[in-house]
Amino acid sequence: KAGVTQTPRYLIKTRGQQVTLSCSPISGHRSVSWYQQTPGQGLQFLFEYFSETQRNKGNFPGRFSGRQFSNSRSEMNVSTLELGDSALYLCASRPGTVKETQYFGPGTRLLVL
Amino acid sequence: QKEVEQNSGPLSVPEGAIASLNCTYSDRGSQSFFWYRQYSGKSPELIMFIYSNGDKEDGRFTAQLNKASQYVSLLIRDSQPSDSATYLCAAEAGGGADGLTFGKGTHLIIQP
Repeated sequence: KAGVTQTPRYLIKTRGQQVTLSCSPISGHRSVSWYQQTPGQGLQFLFEYFSETQRNKGNFPGRFSGRQFSNSRSEMNVSTLELGDSALYLCASRPGTVKETQYFGPGTRLLVL
Repeated sequence: QKEVEQNSGPLSVPEGAIASLNCTYSDRGSQSFFWYRQYSGKSPELIMFIYSNGDKEDGRFTAQLNKASQYVSLLIRDSQPSDSATYLCAAEAGGGADGLTFGKGTHLIIQP
């Protein structure tokens, strides 16, 4: 089975712009979660989608949003980018319910100038 | 606020020895615990998961969970230089309401 894929792998944006990141889960996985990883804060949970519905949301401002499509692919959007949004954005998928292991994609490294 | 605490290290262990990595968590509602390994510049890779008190073994790896003490550990036997990485401990509440809560990781160095 192919693993979780994320596009693009690298991205450079300027402050004030917006960005959309994409994630394709492992085939058959219906849950997709997004995480932000920075050297200072570590890995932090952004949100989780299951069957096109946001199931959980972390403590991030409303500039961070996401959605999931009927094929389980997910997108994450960050509007009005700030320098502090520079991070590795990781997507993880799992079959469905909690207590199941999440498998991470390679990540998208975003640099905001 | 839910927290997972790990010693950042670096933890230096001779090749062939046992590496012991520890983690504590604050949320008593946490039900599932995961250990991920992350090489520099790469994404986290699952090593082990554990749900029940006690030990769980998988090859050279043993995960230990003590819910009363809110403590999780990972033992790596016969450590190899390829085990050098950052090890992330993660906890998830029973309802999964907040996704995985990660510690900041322990940097492990296996000395040849």
